[in-house]
Amino acid sequence: DAGVTQSPTHLIKTRGQQVTLRCSPKSGHDTVSWYQQALGQGPQFIFQYYEEEERQRGNFPDRFSGHQFPNYSSELNVNALLLGDSALYLCASSWEQGEQYFGPGTRLTVT
Amino acid sequence: KQEVTQIPAALSVPEGENLVLNCSFTDSAIYNLQWFRQDPGKGLTSLLLIQSSQREQTSGRLNASLDKSSGRSTLYIAASQPGDSATYLCAVRHRGAAGNKLTFGGGTRVLVKP
Repeated sequence: DAGVTQSPTHLIKTRGQQVTLRCSPKSGHDTVSWYQQALGQGPQFIFQYYEEEERQRGNFPDRFSGHQFPNYSSELNVNALLLGDSALYLCASSWEQGEQYFGPGTRLTVT
Repeated sequence: KQEVTQIPAALSVPEGENLVLNCSFTDSAIYNLQWFRQDPGKGLTSLLLIQSSQREQTSGRLNASLDKSSGRSTLYIAASQPGDSATYLCAVRHRGAAGNKLTFGGGTRVLVKP
C-alpha cells in the first residue's frame, strides 16, 4: 500500500518565477492538506482540499493556490516566488477529517 | 488562536539517558495531540497520537502524557540511543470548525551522543 508521494523531491527556482508541486494521497484517502516548513521551524498549514474544493485556508497570501483532481491527487502552485518561499513543502492526506499521513516533502529553494 | 510551544529548542544527552520533551498549547479545546519525528530534510513520522479523552499513550520506549487543563504534553523516551537523534514535533488538532488541520510547535532538536 503506497503512502503519500510527492514530486519533485527538490526544486530550485528564481525569484519571480512560478512553481507547481504535486502530491498523491495514500490509497483510500480523499482529503489533501499542504504545509510549509521553513528551516528550523515547525510546519504551517497552507490549505486543505476536499471534493476538489478548497475547504480551509491558513494565513498565506493569494500567491499560494491549489487544485485537487478527481483522483484526489493535488497540486500546490506558488506565483511570483520570493526568497522567503524557500522551505520544505509537506503534503498530508486523510480520509475526510481523520488522522493525517505525511509525505516526504518537496524542498524548494528560491534564489 | 492556538499556539504551540516546545522548549527547549535543542537538547543533547549521552546515550542511555532518558529523554524528556515538553510541549505546551494555549487553547485546551483540542481534539487530539500528536508527536512526530523528523529526520533532517525528511517528512514527518507519527510516533504517538493521544485523544483528548486519554491521559497517556505508550509505544515501546516511548510514552506521551497529556494534561489538557494545564495545556501540556510530555514525550518520554527511555534509554536513548544515537538513532533517536532527530527533531521531535508536537501538533494539536483543535476541536470544532477547524477541521483536522494541525498546529505545530517549533520542534526540539535532539542529539544523543554515543
